[in-house]
Amino acid sequence: DAGITQSPRHKVTETGTPVTLRCHQTENHRYMYWYRQDPGHGLRLIHYSYGVKDTDKGEVSDGYSVSRSKTEDFLLTLESATSSQTSVYFCAISESGHSNSGANVLTFGAGSRLTVL
Amino acid sequence: AQKVTQAQTEISVVEKEDVTLDCVYETRDTTYYLFWYKQPPSGELVFLIRRNSFDEQNEISGRYSWNFQKSTSSFNFTITASQVVDSAVYFCALFNNDMRFGAGTRLTVKP
Repeated sequence: DAGITQSPRHKVTETGTPVTLRCHQTENHRYMYWYRQDPGHGLRLIHYSYGVKDTDKGEVSDGYSVSRSKTEDFLLTLESATSSQTSVYFCAISESGHSNSGANVLTFGAGSRLTVL
Repeated sequence: AQKVTQAQTEISVVEKEDVTLDCVYETRDTTYYLFWYKQPPSGELVFLIRRNSFDEQNEISGRYSWNFQKSTSSFNFTITASQVVDSAVYFCALFNNDMRFGAGTRLTVKP
């Protein structure tokens, strides 16, 4: 199994509070991604990173920020959580990523279920 | 614009039936990759297959087979002789500049 761990796996919080989800990998992969999964929408890309301190926005980035200070860690922060951010969040990694030179397989973490009351 | 459509929200079959999950995609690019992922009830996402846009050969892996047709922009997935363990949500995805997933098809295989 690819070494990806997400923490916390479950969190309940209140509207307006900050939340940080952590993704940790031991594969030394360059690319890391945060997706959210919602019924009827499949998985939607929030942000991704293509190296330390190199990040970019995905399809649904509003209300989220990310940071990558080390190759192995990719943090997703909700500065002020809202009920619409209740979701299951998946981190993924890949050796190559957003380029036409080749798309590698995304390997996913186990997911983090966030409930915002 | 990139888009993946999985029109079948839910499918229910009886064990040993064959079942096909449909996937239709939209892209303006000539180079892209198509994927299928499985999400069993435990929640993890499991990679099944990757196909590039230049390879239209169908693929078979055990009871699983995939039919890629560029003419109809489809990448359908067939499970032959379905089993209860095949019950899961299946996602089709398209990669070009980023990975776009379909909404998923929930397959239930009853004993």
